[in-house]
Amino acid sequence: AQSVTQLGSHVSVSEGALVLLRCNYSSSVPPYLFWYVQYPNQGLQLLLKYTTGATLVKGINGFEAEFKKSETSFHLTKPSAHMSDAAEYFCAVSITGTASKLTFGTGTRLQVTL
Amino acid sequence: NAGVTQTPKFQVLKTGQSMTLQCAQDMNHNSMYWYRQDPGMGLRLIYYSASEGTTDKGEVPNGYNVSRLNKREFSLRLESAAPSQTSVYFCAIQDWSSGNTIYFGEGSWLTVV
Repeated sequence: AQSVTQLGSHVSVSEGALVLLRCNYSSSVPPYLFWYVQYPNQGLQLLLKYTTGATLVKGINGFEAEFKKSETSFHLTKPSAHMSDAAEYFCAVSITGTASKLTFGTGTRLQVTL
Repeated sequence: NAGVTQTPKFQVLKTGQSMTLQCAQDMNHNSMYWYRQDPGMGLRLIYYSASEGTTDKGEVPNGYNVSRLNKREFSLRLESAAPSQTSVYFCAIQDWSSGNTIYFGEGSWLTVV
């Protein structure tokens, strides 16, 4: 079984500031990890994913995340926030195997202020 | 939305009515999923289908039925809608060729009054 915990349901940053959205996971086998973004009244869009290999993963819109096995974390960062980054962000974990299911965190709403 | 089409996009139902949400993919993937999204609860898996002809329950299957008609289509049926089923529903497909990445449709907003 797997689970995901996102710390902080709401995060507010100033435009130009560092964005840090936290995600910790639990998995009994090597996980696949994902970050999705959801803009208001839209579906979920894949930001980035970790499967195997390099632990620092770069995604779209300047976001990146680092897989840290020892800390069971997959935090999402962006060096400089932009107003257009305001959205809800979901961390998710999937285990290997057939019909592996994606388990989501409860989401973090990012607010970007001037 | 990576070739995942959901219909309808919006629907209002009265309690007790039935309806079917349709999902179709154009990418020939085996695995398809139905999730619901509720405020503060993230996305929860209702049912999934690992391949044509097979379906399995997810975390919150009660009140729903599904049908994997063929490889392309996966429908979700509410036999007797309840206000607790007011939610946003997402269909998704799984791409095994890209590290199990799951791609979502654009969602179906359902309100049960």
